[in-house]
Amino acid sequence: QKEVEQDPGPLSVPEGAIVSLNCTYSNSAFQYFMWYRQYSRKGPELLMYTYSSGNKEDGRFTAQVDKSSKYISLFIRDSQPSDSATYLCAMSGTSYGKLTFGQGTILTVHP
Amino acid sequence: DGGITQSPKYLFRKEGQNVTLSCEQNLNHDAMYWYRQDPGQGLRLIYYSQIVNDFQKGDIAEGYSVSREKKESFPLTVTSAQKNPTAFYLCASSANRDSHNEQFFGPGTRLTVL
Repeated sequence: QKEVEQDPGPLSVPEGAIVSLNCTYSNSAFQYFMWYRQYSRKGPELLMYTYSSGNKEDGRFTAQVDKSSKYISLFIRDSQPSDSATYLCAMSGTSYGKLTFGQGTILTVHP
Repeated sequence: DGGITQSPKYLFRKEGQNVTLSCEQNLNHDAMYWYRQDPGQGLRLIYYSQIVNDFQKGDIAEGYSVSREKKESFPLTVTSAQKNPTAFYLCASSANRDSHNEQFFGPGTRLTVL
């Protein structure tokens, strides 16, 4: 079993929809959680960064962490075609630890 | 502009050849990383370096080698011992020991073995 599981999709939604992306993990030592967005044939870019449990909001994006369930989510409101990308979750046990990535979810937002 | 550059963007190699991928950063970051990305498998860590002249193996180091002679440079050599080298290779960097989680990525090099 992988330490971090992420549904690879693909996920296809209409423009304006609310998108929910999720990861589950097995290592209870993970405390730092990240979401990266990767456009086709490009390097990933950091989208959201959270520490421990709770919510964090940035514009149309909300990251949610539930450590008791070992479950993290990324919500995208009012999704746009420009949100079409692969979304990768990543996590670590310390502020300087190695990152463990999920497999990535391919998202397509169609007009 | 500050950032991470990787070259070349595309690389073709014959079986049995070694090849070196370049990674340079002008962000003054202490730590640098090499990842491999295959379809459906996310990113897997090959090597990382937290300081000049020091580096550690990641999860899939076999068949790869690195050097860190300068802070801004972290080249990766894919040797002939790497059994399945065709992949997308990503270099990343982070500022210092306390912010290793916030990694910034380069544009990647796509290596194809013919």
